[in-house]
Amino acid sequence: GAGVSQSPSNKVTEKGKDVELRCDPISGHTALYWYRQRLGQGLEFLIYFQGNSAPDKSGLPSDRFSAERTGESVSTLTIQRTQQEDSAVYLCASSLGQGGHTIYFGEGSWLTVV
Amino acid sequence: QKEVEQDPGPLSVPEGAIVSLNCTYSNSAFQYFMWYRQYSRKGPELLMYTYSSGNKEDGRFTAQVDKSSKYISLFIRDSQPSDSATYLCAMNSGGSNYKLTFGKGTLLTVNP
Repeated sequence: GAGVSQSPSNKVTEKGKDVELRCDPISGHTALYWYRQRLGQGLEFLIYFQGNSAPDKSGLPSDRFSAERTGESVSTLTIQRTQQEDSAVYLCASSLGQGGHTIYFGEGSWLTVV
Repeated sequence: QKEVEQDPGPLSVPEGAIVSLNCTYSNSAFQYFMWYRQYSRKGPELLMYTYSSGNKEDGRFTAQVDKSSKYISLFIRDSQPSDSATYLCAMNSGGSNYKLTFGKGTLLTVNP
């Protein structure tokens, strides 16, 4: 596609429920990234995929967070047993290769846990 | 000390003003420096990136990097109301390093 596409754009969920956030990267981009942006904070790195492999999951905040990528394309970020502190914008980005100085972001999935 | 420091503002200027946005950093390994613009409830949009020290110009935007001072700047000439957004600096060391380290962003308002 023309840009990085994310869905849902907005999600309100009850504490304790699971959520899935989807990302469609730019066609042909082998590298895919998830970042989190909490209100008034900078972007926090969560996870990086090269192809379908995730060599770096170091940014995932807890074992409630997981992500996968299939077909070297779509990625899903799953948050289990959501907590209020998970409320944030979850941003997906992609780039042609690693060395991410020209990465392109989607519009984000705005998650609110009530 | 945070790796990247950026004054959150808010910064309010009249239309036509020259705007200066800045970040400082502590990691001397950083070599790639990016500026992103983020409109309200939108994703960050890459404006410019610069490798190592020096200047880069693109239209009304100029990015400067001073590695000796660990200081980067973005200048916006003839600012327009459409420039009103949050500006995020980001950087990494390049090569196999893919993580970007971001500043918190500066909220800019350009008043007509």
